[in-house]
Amino acid sequence: AQSVTQLGSHVSVSEGALVLLRCNYSSSVPPYLFWYVQYPNQGLQLLLKYTTGATLVKGINGFEAEFKKSETSFHLTKPSAHMSDAAEYFCAVSDQAGSARQLTFGSGTQLTVLP
Amino acid sequence: DAGVIQSPRHEVTEMGQEVTLRCKPISGHNSLFWYRQTMMRGLELLIYFNNNVPIDDSGMPEDRFSAKMPNASFSTLKIQPSEPRDSAVYFCASSSGQGAPWYGYTFGSGTRLTVV
Repeated sequence: AQSVTQLGSHVSVSEGALVLLRCNYSSSVPPYLFWYVQYPNQGLQLLLKYTTGATLVKGINGFEAEFKKSETSFHLTKPSAHMSDAAEYFCAVSDQAGSARQLTFGSGTQLTVLP
Repeated sequence: DAGVIQSPRHEVTEMGQEVTLRCKPISGHNSLFWYRQTMMRGLELLIYFNNNVPIDDSGMPEDRFSAKMPNASFSTLKIQPSEPRDSAVYFCASSSGQGAPWYGYTFGSGTRLTVV
């Protein structure tokens, strides 16, 4: 069975500071890994994904994440936070097998950007 | 592509009334998921369909909840009778399910349900 742990349900950073949102996963097979973002009163949007290949993945709005198999981690980073980054972020994992792939979501991290 | 379309966006109803939420998945996607999101419980998977067939409804909270997918382009989530504790945002998501590469889920904008 797969699982995802997001460390820190709330993270606050100052505008211009580094954003680091942590995600650790558990999977018995090579995983697909995703980050979704949810802005207020909206649905979840895909931010970036890792399937195969390069372990450093770049997404929208300057975010990137690195798949580290040895650490079973997929942390999300952005060098410089912007006020518009304030949102909830969800990490998700899926295995690469199966006829109907499903995502297992973490509990989410609320990012606050302080002026 | 218009994405996953949910209706209505907002629904306010009185306790005891029947509520029907609707979802149109992305054309060609063969998996459909219904989620509920609340402050207290976060994002919960209620039920999912594969090729219009319900695969896992273990997340459906009570018999008051039911979901159908009569064809590949339409699904409903019904609550009858509704209760105040059903107040939440309900999301529909669709996915291609099979094949590679896989792009995960596409979510709709949600239906905010308020039961008074």
